[in-house]
Amino acid sequence: DAKTTQPPSMDCAEGRAANLPCNHSTISGNEYVYWYRQIHSQGPQYIIHGLKNNETNEMASLIITEDRKSSTLILPHATLRDTAVYYCIVSPTQGGSEKLVFGKGMKLTVNP
Amino acid sequence: DGGITQSPKYLFRKEGQNVTLSCEQNLNHDAMYWYRQDPGQGLRLIYYSQIVNDFQKGDIAEGYSVSREKKESFPLTVTSAQKNPTAFYLCASSIRQGRGELFFGEGSRLTVL
Repeated sequence: DAKTTQPPSMDCAEGRAANLPCNHSTISGNEYVYWYRQIHSQGPQYIIHGLKNNETNEMASLIITEDRKSSTLILPHATLRDTAVYYCIVSPTQGGSEKLVFGKGMKLTVNP
Repeated sequence: DGGITQSPKYLFRKEGQNVTLSCEQNLNHDAMYWYRQDPGQGLRLIYYSQIVNDFQKGDIAEGYSVSREKKESFPLTVTSAQKNPTAFYLCASSIRQGRGELFFGEGSRLTVL
């Protein structure tokens, strides 16, 4: 069962903000939203996670709607190096890290 | 620098041969994982280990074996029983089982000829 829905691809201009959407309408109250990204032929990289409050770190910001049914990952000033597949993942209520499901994700292409 | 090291990065083997992929971490993490990724697909969990001398099967364990004799090391053997072994293999670790922040290695690309 896919717990998140992401568009398959998105383009963004270099230097502009990239807003990556994710729907998780069946999320439970104690499930976190995680974001990872995978640059071509490399291992995935953890970006950020959140429960209900908006979160920000040196890589990105995570905006979670009040009903928690969707979220947006924001890369404030996209660069060419941000071109990657981005995975939005909802953590399981039971079990741990091994239950994270990396689906196909969304391919972000940053154009010069 | 702390991190996860996978080797080799590229590996070619003949059909029917066993091959072992190395994964070493110096992050002092308790939990380690192996994933398989096929072109254009997501990641599928092969095996994971929460502590030394203990490991559990993931979603696609058939044809694979692992060991966890040391905290730092979690090698994966792709046996001849794995029917379609050509893939990109990723090793990851987390501080402990239950924490969602996974740290990944750079991957090993196995091609079976």
